[in-house]
Amino acid sequence: EIVLTQSPGTLSLSPGERATLSCRASQSVTSNYLAWYQQKPGQAPRLLIFGASSRATGIPDRFSGSGSGTDFTLTISRLEPEDFAVYYCQQYAGSPYTFGQGTKLEIK
Amino acid sequence: QVQLQESGPGLVKPSETLSLTCSVSGDSITSNSYSWGWIRQPPGKGLEWIGCIIYTGSTYSGGTYYNPSLKSRVTMSVDTSKNQFSLRLDSVTAADTAVYFCARGSGQLVPAAIGHTWFDPWGQGNLVTVSS
Repeated sequence: EIVLTQSPGTLSLSPGERATLSCRASQSVTSNYLAWYQQKPGQAPRLLIFGASSRATGIPDRFSGSGSGTDFTLTISRLEPEDFAVYYCQQYAGSPYTFGQGTKLEIK
Repeated sequence: QVQLQESGPGLVKPSETLSLTCSVSGDSITSNSYSWGWIRQPPGKGLEWIGCIIYTGSTYSGGTYYNPSLKSRVTMSVDTSKNQFSLRLDSVTAADTAVYFCARGSGQLVPAAIGHTWFDPWGQGNLVTVSS
């Protein structure tokens, strides 16, 4: 089983700042089979990124994903008020699919 | 625009069976392009993949793929006449209390294997509490 570890657990930033979220895998994620999701309170997760760096339909270009192997990053270039939420990474390289424990992005 | 909606009881007694249904609109459950999955989230905690199902009549031969941690208690099925898929979890305990989400799996389907899929879109979720 691939274990995903996200850091930091909580990130406190202000609107307009740049956010960098990390997702580290316990073993290599083949073919960059890694996705990122955003979840707001009381809502279902929303897909942001798949294939480590491809934005999902309708996702603003301030969201970008990068990385390969065991180290992946989600970057939000300029935070908007609606970006404050919990973010999860997910690997779908092999079974069982696994998620990271999440990073909470909060307003400073 | 595809939409998914979970339905089922909000309260289940310990040792009994949890049953949920996901109704799909805007897409066909028999599609050759997608799998259909269940993911759960205990209150205040992270996400756990439960499993995926691919329609048996699809190009990819179909099949069900479960998280090994739940495999002995999970069954998923498809009802093509209603365009729905279902989750059954046996012998529940308080540890099974969670919001249960259904979702469409997109990406790379592989014949007779789980493939490589992310989840989009998701249903709104159904909170199931296990308590006597």
